[in-house]
Amino acid sequence: DADVTQTPRNRITKTGKRIMLECSQTKGHDRMYWYRQDPGLGLRLIYYSFDVKDINKGEISDGYSVSRQAQAKFSLSLESAIPNQTALYFCATSDPAKGGGNTIYFGEGSWLTVV
Amino acid sequence: EDKVVQSPLSLVVHEGDTVTLNCSYEVTNFRSLLWYKQEKKAPTFLFMLTSSGIEKKSGRLSSILDKKELFSILNITATQTGDSAVYLCAVGPQGGSEKLVFGKGTKLTVNP
Repeated sequence: DADVTQTPRNRITKTGKRIMLECSQTKGHDRMYWYRQDPGLGLRLIYYSFDVKDINKGEISDGYSVSRQAQAKFSLSLESAIPNQTALYFCATSDPAKGGGNTIYFGEGSWLTVV
Repeated sequence: EDKVVQSPLSLVVHEGDTVTLNCSYEVTNFRSLLWYKQEKKAPTFLFMLTSSGIEKKSGRLSSILDKKELFSILNITATQTGDSAVYLCAVGPQGGSEKLVFGKGTKLTVNP
């Protein structure tokens, strides 16, 4: 089983709909992240959280919100999806205190298509 | 502005060839450089290079960091079709993983 699990793995939704992507991890890491990946643009950080009460905006947070329900769970919401939010979304974790430095570990990704 | 540039953008080789992928960076307060391999979806971690660990090797893959010239290379010897993937370079300044800056990747295709 994957250490970082994302659901759904693939989703098609209509413009204006609310969509939630969920992430859970069994790595015991405190820090969790949401990235999106677009062709030609690389990975860009949307939001990150250092613990349950900590939420921070990343490079491209507009149009997104997050919730850190527990240490192991971090969900990403698109309140009103638009076509340019079509992308591959990754959840990721890290824990510098466990010796990995800046290393982050990615989930398997969620393909989201907004039509 | 922090920046990571990878080259080439894509590369096609034959099995058995040796390839070198490049990553140059500009980042304030450098802490570490990371290499990832992305096959179908999730990037998987390969190496982390820091001031105290400028060379890493794992099997046919190796990487070095040149902090003076601000670049890293990822070397793959005796390539196999299973090495076909996008290789991502990320550079982290002091302050944590939330500040990681990713390059756009090099797409490697290894033909039989």
